[in-house]
Amino acid sequence: KAGVTQTPRYLIKTRGQQVTLSCSPISGHRSVSWYQQTPGQGLQFLFEYFSETQRNKGNFPGRFSGRQFSNSRSEMNVSTLELGDSALYLCASSPRASGGGGANVLTFGAGSRLTVL
Amino acid sequence: GIQVEQSPPDLILQEGANSTLRCNFSDSVNNLQWFHQNPWGQLINLFYIPSGTKQNGRLSATTVATERYSLLYISSSQTTDSGVYFCAVDPPRSLGTGTASKLTFGTGTRLQVTL
Repeated sequence: KAGVTQTPRYLIKTRGQQVTLSCSPISGHRSVSWYQQTPGQGLQFLFEYFSETQRNKGNFPGRFSGRQFSNSRSEMNVSTLELGDSALYLCASSPRASGGGGANVLTFGAGSRLTVL
Repeated sequence: GIQVEQSPPDLILQEGANSTLRCNFSDSVNNLQWFHQNPWGQLINLFYIPSGTKQNGRLSATTVATERYSLLYISSSQTTDSGVYFCAVDPPRSLGTGTASKLTFGTGTRLQVTL
């Protein structure tokens, strides 16, 4: 079956603009989570969505937001872009929300590499 | 929150050599995964291993949950094994508590396999 699909793969924006990234999870997966990867901070959790509800949010400013649609596809938005937002944004899907018992393997997409000039 | 430490930070091997990567974590975990990040940035899941031992070809992993560490073994390394290896954990919690649900990643081990 198809993996996790992220679009666009690469994009360049300028400071002050906004950006929307898209993630289509593996068919049947209901949980989508987002991570930011930068050379300085490593991989950091942004937020997780399950059944169209944000379950929790990482330590990021309100400029970072997301949503999940009824088909489990998710988008994240970053408004008023700053140079420090340049990063690889990774989306992962899993069969159910994390934190409960039992196996819940996360599968990652190829990422969206954002450059802010 | 939970702390995850990986060692060594960097590793250079000659093709054919074996290696062991270590992941220490500061609390009990419900989920532990090993990933390989390829040069294009994609995280490839290697193992889901909150406890026990698993093997997949030249790779194997062992997690000793009671002692809060996991090991990833790479045998007969190949140049295609180059990249960054991450350990990521998620501590157990009850659904509905509203607490954070996320994977916490280590800083990774950067592996370079040379001819």
